[in-house]
Amino acid sequence: LAKTTQPISMDSYEGQEVNITCSHNNIATNDYITWYQQFPSQGPRFIIQGYKTKVTNEVASLFIPADRKSSTLSLPRVSLSDTAVYYCLVGDMEYSTLTFGKGTMLLVSP
Amino acid sequence: NAGVTQTPKFQVLKTGQSMTLQCAQDMNHNSMYWYRQDPGMGLRLIYYSASEGTTDKGEVPNGYNVSRLNKREFSLRLESAAPSQTSVYFCASREGTGYGYTFGSGTRLTVV
Repeated sequence: LAKTTQPISMDSYEGQEVNITCSHNNIATNDYITWYQQFPSQGPRFIIQGYKTKVTNEVASLFIPADRKSSTLSLPRVSLSDTAVYYCLVGDMEYSTLTFGKGTMLLVSP
Repeated sequence: NAGVTQTPKFQVLKTGQSMTLQCAQDMNHNSMYWYRQDPGMGLRLIYYSASEGTTDKGEVPNGYNVSRLNKREFSLRLESAAPSQTSVYFCASREGTGYGYTFGSGTRLTVV
């Protein structure tokens, strides 16, 4: 499974766009990139998943460059409720499991 | 929809006691998982069940056993609890490979 590296923490203010980058230099051809969000005292929640280029849903966008060695989760106009830990996961969809690292703690201030 | 339900939400055990954490999902998912999360750490996989009737070890299986009782239920048992097993335990399920996980709200376990 490809190892991922992401910042330990990030700070932002309400209304700003937040971009969290994840490095995965050893990503394999069959690997997908998935992001989860975790609030305190809750289990992680699936946000978005992609293979290449750009994926967008009602919550976030995921940008993946052509070499796929990194990816960027983009949260538009964050609010206080977006304060959470964000996890980047990389894995082959044929595998039964994914590995969660320590994630990025995003703190949104007024 | 209830999603993934874990019981109990909180538990305090004495060292050496045993207990079973229960997990049930109502989404007809094939795969189920048990993770633990320690302060400042990511989630670490304990055991998983890729489909009904199968179970496999994850990253940190020592001190735990699991039972996939049926397609809905996947329990985690601590036979002789140790302080090192103090953690928050999350159960998760998913329809299959290629799909996202759905997590329960967790069981906060303290072993004294």
